[in-house]
Amino acid sequence: GAVVSQHPSRVICKSGTSVKIECRSLDFQATTMFWYRQFPKQSLMLMATSNEGSKATYEQGVEKDKFLINHASLTLSTLTVTSAHPEDSSFYICSARDWGGWYRGNEQFFGPGTRLTVL
Amino acid sequence: KQEVTQIPAALSVPEGENLVLNCSFTDSAIYNLQWFRQDPGKGLTSLLLIQSSQREQTSGRLNASLDKSSGRSTLYIAASQPGDSATYLCAVNWTGGGNKLTFGTGTQLKVEL
Repeated sequence: GAVVSQHPSRVICKSGTSVKIECRSLDFQATTMFWYRQFPKQSLMLMATSNEGSKATYEQGVEKDKFLINHASLTLSTLTVTSAHPEDSSFYICSARDWGGWYRGNEQFFGPGTRLTVL
Repeated sequence: KQEVTQIPAALSVPEGENLVLNCSFTDSAIYNLQWFRQDPGKGLTSLLLIQSSQREQTSGRLNASLDKSSGRSTLYIAASQPGDSATYLCAVNWTGGGNKLTFGTGTQLKVEL
């Protein structure tokens, strides 16, 4: 149980295009999902918190108009990188918290990540 | 500022050795702490979750301890194997932090034959 998937696993796009990444909780409902970014040889940095049915909360320094987050259902959150540039190339990872998470000690379950390369 | 630090950044040990990975955090007001494993180019695999009220958690050859007063957690790996080679990350869920995780810098472990 507690499986989180991401799609696509890898994407290469041209500068200026937009890319959508999906994060799905497969066997539980997630009222809250988190989006992280990881640059090579570095740790994960939280970008935003995605809450089902409401606007995402962005961390300081993260442009909300560039990284659009939609959490339309209890099992799906999407991250759209708009007008992507080479500096947006990174590994994007999502995590999800079970809505009944306090039973599980609020453990977060992570997706396998999406490697974005912007040419 | 709430920060998480892991030392050493890299560690190389011979197969069979017992080893300890360290995680330090600057604020003792934590809700829980998780240890993860990350293989190159892959996502995170959750290893152990310790609640603030717990002192340790065990899973197989892994044992994680938590000392809030000193701001430290350790991950003990017994009888290390080459398959344990990976980057190990600790992450803190701060009290009142909305369940956001702050990750440490990671320890890259290599277990050699």
